[in-house]
Parts: sequence; structure tokens; C-alpha cells
Amino acid sequence: NAGVTQTPKFQVLKTGQSMTLQCAQDMNHEYMSWYRQDPGMGLRLIHYSVGAGITDQGEVPNGYNVSRSTTEDFPLRLLSAAPSQTSVYFCASSYSIGTAAEQYFGPGTRLTVT
Amino acid sequence: KQEVTQIPAALSVPEGENLVLNCSFTDSAIYNLQWFRQDPGKGLTSLLLIQSSQREQTSGRLNASLDKSSGRSTLYIAASQPGDSATYLCAVPQGNDYKLSFGAGTTVTVRA
Repeated sequence: NAGVTQTPKFQVLKTGQSMTLQCAQDMNHEYMSWYRQDPGMGLRLIHYSVGAGITDQGEVPNGYNVSRSTTEDFPLRLLSAAPSQTSVYFCASSYSIGTAAEQYFGPGTRLTVT
Repeated sequence: KQEVTQIPAALSVPEGENLVLNCSFTDSAIYNLQWFRQDPGKGLTSLLLIQSSQREQTSGRLNASLDKSSGRSTLYIAASQPGDSATYLCAVPQGNDYKLSFGAGTTVTVRA
């Protein structure tokens, strides 16, 4: 198993540009989520999905869109990039609900918006 | 909202010393608590998942304890090595959901 994969690893955008961060998992996990990690702020939840066709907002959803058309993929779209979206983005997945819900993280995408 | 705190923020020890990392959380009604390791510029690697019904979980030199009533977990790393140098994060689900609340982490340096 490749686990959770993310592309690209690095990206530089200009203000106002749009892009999609890709996330895929091959573990047949129902739950997937996106976090951003900023110095001094820790990891914060952007969006999450409990299964194909179901998504919901996390703590910091503004400026981001998601969709979940398959169990495997959960892309994160930046609609109009802003310098405040400079961050490291992590995708995570989990196979179960409740007490056994160990979460697995991807290697991250480092995004810089100039 | 679940708040997670990790103290200390940074720790430097000589090789061979035991490490003690603390994590506290405000809502004791948790399903589980997960400890992660993060190397500089890398993703998060899951170390231990301790379930709400457990008091501790062990993996090799790592041992995590959980005291739900006091809202605390401790990660012990025995006989530290320079390769243990990393940032250690704890996380708990928000309520009965998958959504995780993270601590800010403890950055560990093990000096050779």
C-alpha cells in the first residue's frame, strides 16, 4: 500500500491564481480530511469527508473547496489564492469511526502564495 | 471546543536519558488519543493510538499513558537516541467525530 499520497510536494502561486491539491489513499478509508499547518497555530482542519459524495466544513474552510467523487480521492481546491493561504497542507484518512479511528497522514504540500 | 496543550514546547536531553512529553485536553469525553511524530519538513507519522478504555499503550521504547479523568496523556520514550529528535504531537477527536484537535507539539533534541 502507498498509504496517503499528496501532489504536488511544493507549489508557488501568485495572488489570485487557483489550483488543486491532490490527495489519494489506497486503504479503502471512508474518512478523509485536509489540515493546514502554520507556525504557532498548529494543525487546523479545513474540510473533511465521511464518504464519497459527503463533505463538510472544518475550522478554517474559507477560500477552499472540496469534493469527494470516489472513496480514494479527496482534492482540495484553492479558488483565488491569497498570501494568507501560504502554509503546509496535509491530507489524512481513517478507516473507522469511534475508538479505533487511527488517522494516517500524507507527506504534505508546501504552498507559497506571493 | 476541545483544547489541547503540550508542555514543554521544546526539550533538549543528552543521549540515553528518558523523555517525558505531556499532553493535556479540556474535554475528558474522548474516544481516543493519538501521538504523532513529525520530522522537519515531513508529514506526520502515527506512533501510538490509545483508546479511551485503555490506561496505556506500548510500542518498543515508547509508552503512552492516558488519564481521562484528569485530561492528561504522557508519552515516555526510554533511552533516547539522536534519531528520536523530532516534534511530537498529540491529537484527540472533537467529541465523537473524526475531526482532530492537535496540540502545538513538543520539539525534542537528543544530543549525542
